[in-house]
Amino acid sequence: AQSVAQPEDQVNVAEGNPLTVKCTYSVSGNPYLFWYVQYPNRGLQFLLKYITGDNLVKGSYGFEAEFNKSQTSFHLKKPSALVSDSALYFCAVREGYSSASKIIFGSGTRLSIRP
Amino acid sequence: DVKVTQSSRYLVKRTGEKVFLECVQDMDHENMFWYRQDPGLGLRLIYFSYDVKMKEKGDIPEGYSVSREKKERFSLILESASTNQTSMYLCASGGGDSGNTIYFGEGSWLTVV
Repeated sequence: AQSVAQPEDQVNVAEGNPLTVKCTYSVSGNPYLFWYVQYPNRGLQFLLKYITGDNLVKGSYGFEAEFNKSQTSFHLKKPSALVSDSALYFCAVREGYSSASKIIFGSGTRLSIRP
Repeated sequence: DVKVTQSSRYLVKRTGEKVFLECVQDMDHENMFWYRQDPGLGLRLIYFSYDVKMKEKGDIPEGYSVSREKKERFSLILESASTNQTSMYLCASGGGDSGNTIYFGEGSWLTVV
């Protein structure tokens, strides 16, 4: 069965520093991986996805993520954090290309950027 | 831009009431989903639909039903609301031009008293 883990409940970073939010996954076939962000009292917004191709994927708001097949990881990164990046981040994995196939979400990581 | 609209953002209902949560998408997506979000548990899939009048149970379907009479609309129904159904409910849709990405609505906060 597919699964996704976000090992950190909270990540604290100073503004201007690089940030990393960790995600590991488990699927039996080819993984399709996603990152979403949720601001307070809002729905989830799509940030980026990995389907195939380059291991480094670029997305919205200056975020990027690195797919590592050997470590089954898909960590979210940003070179220079902003206070406005403070939010709840979800990693998700889908097994199978179709949008009808099941997508599993991690438990979320709260990112806090201090001025 | 993809737009998924959940008509009710905040609802307060009494135990035993029948509750309808409505979701509409404007991108002609085949697939629609209902999740609930609870602190520490992340998102859990309640039901999904891959076509009109088609539905599949997710991980936590007990106490819920769904209806999809038109492609753009997917309704979540709580037949008899209970306090343990107090939660944030998120609708999502995907398919068509969005490929395998799903897009979420703004969420519906339901409190059952």
